[in-house]
Amino acid sequence: DTEVTQTPKHLVMGMTNKKSLKCEQHMGHRAMYWYKQKAKKPPELMFVYSYEKLSINESVPSRFSPECPNSSLLNLHLHALQPEDSALYLCASSQVWPFLRRGHYGYTFGSGTRLTVV
Amino acid sequence: EDQVTQSPEALRLQEGESSSLNCSYTVSGLRGLFWYRQDPGKGPEFLFTLYSAGEEKEKERLKATLTKKESFLHITAPKPEDSATYLCAVHSNNNAGNMLTFGGGTRLMVKP
Repeated sequence: DTEVTQTPKHLVMGMTNKKSLKCEQHMGHRAMYWYKQKAKKPPELMFVYSYEKLSINESVPSRFSPECPNSSLLNLHLHALQPEDSALYLCASSQVWPFLRRGHYGYTFGSGTRLTVV
Repeated sequence: EDQVTQSPEALRLQEGESSSLNCSYTVSGLRGLFWYRQDPGKGPEFLFTLYSAGEEKEKERLKATLTKKESFLHITAPKPEDSATYLCAVHSNNNAGNMLTFGGGTRLMVKP
């Protein structure tokens, strides 16, 4: 299994809603990531989990709350978002350096969740 | 701080017209350079990883090469289905954890 599965594929939410994005991988990767991507821009790193612990938070607003319940799952909890948070949210996974060099797929990305905040 | 610059930003080719995409990087201790293909509204799809200068990898019409300062993605006789955004990213000693630094991407359009 060489896939990262993200659900839902599309999400429309109001500014007062609470929702969650989910990500799952079964490649034995011990690093998982959340990226945000705006149209015609490269992915922008939000969070990194390494061995199920949050290792990097790129100064993301607290209305985004990540969670890594186990080595296969990654969630992103959303609350009180703004319209400018509308974007494609990507999950990725990888081996942890130096084991990264033994893998064949580097960082594997999911298909993303298209989020629209109204 | 790592810097990755891709050029051109956009490239239009006729079907069968070979060309190259460039990824220039400035890092302290390259651990790996990654090429991805991304279709609109979808996640990046892994193409290649290059680890050392002089390394080359091929897949169908694509060939990636690496020097100490840049990487090229050569596209031979492209087809319309090769139209996509191609992203380059680096992992280096500068990056805490396993962070990737992405370039801005090259949008490739292949006309039949």
